[in-house]
Amino acid sequence: DTEVTQTPKHLVMGMTNKKSLKCEQHMGHRAMYWYKQKAKKPPELMFVYSYEKLSINESVPSRFSPECPNSSLLNLHLHALQPEDSALYLCASSQPGTGESWAFFGQGTRLTVV
Amino acid sequence: ELKVEQNPLFLSMQEGKNYTIYCNYSTTSDRLYWYRQDPGKSLESLFVLLSNGAVKQEGRLMASLDTKARLSTLHITAAVHDLSATYFCAVFSMDSNYQLIWGAGTKLIIKP
Repeated sequence: DTEVTQTPKHLVMGMTNKKSLKCEQHMGHRAMYWYKQKAKKPPELMFVYSYEKLSINESVPSRFSPECPNSSLLNLHLHALQPEDSALYLCASSQPGTGESWAFFGQGTRLTVV
Repeated sequence: ELKVEQNPLFLSMQEGKNYTIYCNYSTTSDRLYWYRQDPGKSLESLFVLLSNGAVKQEGRLMASLDTKARLSTLHITAAVHDLSATYFCAVFSMDSNYQLIWGAGTKLIIKP
């Protein structure tokens, strides 16, 4: 199994809603990532979990709250988002350390904030 | 600070032609990745290059790495329309603490 699975694929939410994005991998990877990607731009790193601990938080607003319940799952909780938060949200996983360790990306969640 | 520069940022070419996308980076790297992205879709891993002189090929795409020049190239041979996409290079360095540092992407349009 070389997949990173994200749900939902599409999400439309109002600015007062609370929603969660989910990500799952069963490759035994111990690093998991959330990225945000706007159109025609490269992905921007939001959060990194390494061995289920938050290791990087790239100054992301508190309306985004990550959670890593176990080594296979990664969630991103959303609350009181703004229209400018509309983007493609990508989850990725990799094996920490050196070597030919791919960063595998999920299919993404297309988020629209209205 | 690790920086990654890709060029060109936009490339329109005819089917059957050859072309090269360049990726320069500013510090030593441990790994260099090439990804493909179709509009509205996620990122598809193409190649990972680890060492100086590494060359990898898949179909009409060939990637190479020169760590001394801090340069990777993605060469397209006899382009076909299906290769139209945006191509990103990304560099992973011990200095970047698990972060992939991304180039801006090259939007490639191949006309039939």
